[in-house]
Amino acid sequence: GAVVSQHPSRVICKSGTSVKIECRSLDFQATTMFWYRQFPKQSLMLMATSNEGSKATYEQGVEKDKFLINHASLTLSTLTVTSAHPEDSSFYICSAISAYEQYFGPGTRLTVT
Amino acid sequence: RKEVEQDPGPFNVPEGATVAFNCTYSNSASQSFFWYRQDCRKEPKLLMSVYSSGNEDGRFTAQLNRASQYISLLIRDSKLSDSATYLCVVNIPASGTYKYIFGTGTRLKVLA
Repeated sequence: GAVVSQHPSRVICKSGTSVKIECRSLDFQATTMFWYRQFPKQSLMLMATSNEGSKATYEQGVEKDKFLINHASLTLSTLTVTSAHPEDSSFYICSAISAYEQYFGPGTRLTVT
Repeated sequence: RKEVEQDPGPFNVPEGATVAFNCTYSNSASQSFFWYRQDCRKEPKLLMSVYSSGNEDGRFTAQLNRASQYISLLIRDSKLSDSATYLCVVNIPASGTYKYIFGTGTRLKVLA
């Protein structure tokens, strides 16, 4: 199956700093990628749909100025958490579509101290 | 009403048992349906897609009822390794394309 990678897998940062998470489709091109967030014991919540070459589409309640998404190429989307706060600590997962199936990256565990 | 809802769980079943999960969705324009499995602190893995005619993969059977807008997953002869959270995923039309929404997940624990 298709492979999606994420980097970093785990990051700890201080409150007020920004963190960038990369999502790459390794063996296919993805015009659309999705960013999810998962808090402990909860399901995945869609944050935004990342579209190559255009602006991301954010879900209701997700601040676009706080969660910056850039999809500059067909194989890379980045999510930048700006001015991170402890409540942003979560598991962030990206996914991409290949042949009508959704493939997930391994996730990035963000801890803001 | 939530876009995708699942049985709350948790389901604790003995090995060898048959267990069924249901998932309802609210958008009648949804076209694709999936069951994913998620192990603790890992990313979701596709278990199976769900087709209108129903489909089976070994001990797993998935069914779709478009009229009632629900999908189901049946696991027969449960194994200890089936213990995980099962997530249903439904696509929803959005801005000329689709987005994929997860249900809340149902936790299954198979007991020896």
